[in-house]
Amino acid sequence: QVQLVQSGAEVKKPGASVKVSCKVSGYTLTELSMHWVRQAPGKGLQWMGGFDPEDGETIYAQKFRGRVTMTEDTSTDTAYMELSTLKIEDTAVYFCASFSRRAYESRGYDAFEMWGQGTLVTVFS
Amino acid sequence: QSVLTQPPSVSGAPGQRVTISCTGSSSNFGSGYDVHWYQQLPGTAPKLLIYDNTNRPSGVPGRFSGSKSGTSASLAITGLQAEDEADYYCQSYDSSLGGWVFGGGTKLTVL
Repeated sequence: QVQLVQSGAEVKKPGASVKVSCKVSGYTLTELSMHWVRQAPGKGLQWMGGFDPEDGETIYAQKFRGRVTMTEDTSTDTAYMELSTLKIEDTAVYFCASFSRRAYESRGYDAFEMWGQGTLVTVFS
Repeated sequence: QSVLTQPPSVSGAPGQRVTISCTGSSSNFGSGYDVHWYQQLPGTAPKLLIYDNTNRPSGVPGRFSGSKSGTSASLAITGLQAEDEADYYCQSYDSSLGGWVFGGGTKLTVL
């Protein structure tokens, strides 16, 4: 049973950075393709970026390139998403979401079947 | 503005059948990429409902079904129940954008 447990809510000022963590249990991080999805209040889901098993690299949505960094600590099976130069409109719930790399490699499976509980990041001055 | 287009809302009475459309393009569905569907209840994380166009994960009722043809996909819910009231999202991969994409979401109201 895979579980993704995220860090707690954050309050930040515009211009600051935030780093959200996502701890994996039941799998190792290297067995998963980890992604980050955000949801602004009352809005839809927005893919921010994640590990692309096709080429073995982390890729970012164009909207966030230059401001977001996604990293992984395989010693603790924890993924991180850092967003810098925060704006008021970055206020959102940030989710980690993943699929099995093995399933992707064997049959191209890339549905996000595992999700963290979400982390609310509030940006206000 | 998402590359996958969904109606903002749909509604139906208990017991009825509703469908939610998801319109893509040649760079996602038309290129053979699969569509997945998620259900999001208020205040919770999304839950995978349909994967690889037509398949239900274990535990998802048979009332939910998915289909895909050409550059369009749809989610059908039969025997509508009050607990189905939620937001529904389609999702795929887009080769032009070089990443994963979600539809804008559809709010289902059970009358």
